[in-house]
Amino acid sequence: DAGVIQSPRHEVTEMGQEVTLRCKPISGHDYLFWYRQTMMRGLELLIYFNNNVPIDDSGMPEDRFSAKMPNASFSTLKIQPSEPRDSAVYFCASSLSGADTEAFFGQGTRLTVV
Amino acid sequence: GDSVTQMEGPVTLSEEAFLTINCTYTATGYPSLFWYVQYPGEGLQLLLKATKADDKGSNKGFEATYRKETTSFHLEKGSVQVSDSAVYFCALSDRGGGSYIPTFGRGTSLIVHP
Repeated sequence: DAGVIQSPRHEVTEMGQEVTLRCKPISGHDYLFWYRQTMMRGLELLIYFNNNVPIDDSGMPEDRFSAKMPNASFSTLKIQPSEPRDSAVYFCASSLSGADTEAFFGQGTRLTVV
Repeated sequence: GDSVTQMEGPVTLSEEAFLTINCTYTATGYPSLFWYVQYPGEGLQLLLKATKADDKGSNKGFEATYRKETTSFHLEKGSVQVSDSAVYFCALSDRGGGSYIPTFGRGTSLIVHP
């Protein structure tokens, strides 16, 4: 397997524009996580899915953020409208169920909102 | 709720020095413990793990022992190399809650000078 694949790797957009980040998890994994990483706040869990169903979105900072998982092989994180404070690295990760299993991370999307 | 506390960085060492990065945790159940490493421009990847008390995880010369009595999982390496420069994250996955959602520490940056 190629691992968790995220696109794009880098995104620069203007304030107010819509941004969509994409993720393809590892085949067979039943958990998918979206994280945001900043210097100030570290690694924050935004939302996670189990078997394509959103389970906990309490980490989503505002209504401007939304996430979907239409099937087992694809998820999106959308920000609309984007703001400069959304600038961060966004990671997608997937895992099998079970406390002994690790999370596999994608390479991340570096988002810059100007 | 579950939480992970690790020492703040950056930790700056000379090549071949001994490394310790402290990590303590709180958990409602009986967690599995992990160390992840993040190299510049990449996502997190598993370094080592331990799933029960007194287990020792090891990989690439790094070691950590699951200490239930002190709720700790300190990372050690006897002789660091410049290539070990990265950010290290301690994490837990708590089987008690049944959701297996990883909880991460803030990360500790390690800088190794030649």
